[in-house]
Amino acid sequence: EPEVTQTPSHQVTQMGQEVILRCVPISNHLYFYWYRQILGQKVEFLVSFYNNEISEKSEIFDDQFSVERPDGSNFTLKIRSTKLEDSAMYFCASSVSIAGQGASATNEKLFFGSGTQLSVL
Amino acid sequence: RKEVEQDPGPFNVPEGATVAFNCTYSNSASQSFFWYRQDCRKEPKLLMSVYSSGNEDGRFTAQLNRASQYISLLIRDSKLSDSATYLCAVSISGGYNKLIFGAGTRLAVHP
Repeated sequence: EPEVTQTPSHQVTQMGQEVILRCVPISNHLYFYWYRQILGQKVEFLVSFYNNEISEKSEIFDDQFSVERPDGSNFTLKIRSTKLEDSAMYFCASSVSIAGQGASATNEKLFFGSGTQLSVL
Repeated sequence: RKEVEQDPGPFNVPEGATVAFNCTYSNSASQSFFWYRQDCRKEPKLLMSVYSSGNEDGRFTAQLNRASQYISLLIRDSKLSDSATYLCAVSISGGYNKLIFGAGTRLAVHP
């Protein structure tokens, strides 16, 4: 079964450093997402990306965050200057389409990668 | 009021038991509903979508009540392997599949 892959699985960085989290979405998917989950808390939406631009972002996704699809397969999340509170599990997800596009319910489903645990020291 | 609320549990049940979880959502524009399963420090895995007519997948049954703005998940004949956190998620009409998750309900099935 195709899956979303994320690298690295663990990333340790010093506060103030830049990090790039990498994701390879499922190949025929068109919509890409980043979520994060701070330890013991709920999964939170960060950003959605379609057609090479951000389609929606949350309040968490401030100017320190950026996303990019540098080629046909990778989807990256960059945190420019990490803070202690950025420590979390970051999940990438992808879907074929979105609800309301006349697509089947199957196509709107999000599939998550196994996550990158980011620890900011 | 939280956008998506769940009882955190834990629900401790013996093998073979039937257990039910509820989830309430506050935004009446919510249009798609899902149950995910999350094992400790792992990614959410889609368990099932939830439709107005209700749907069943083996031992799992999901229901949606739009009038009362809640969804439910029923697990019959619980197995030890069902032990996990169950996340309710909703997406809003017009959104780009942005999922709003509940904090999850922990289920522990014991022998």
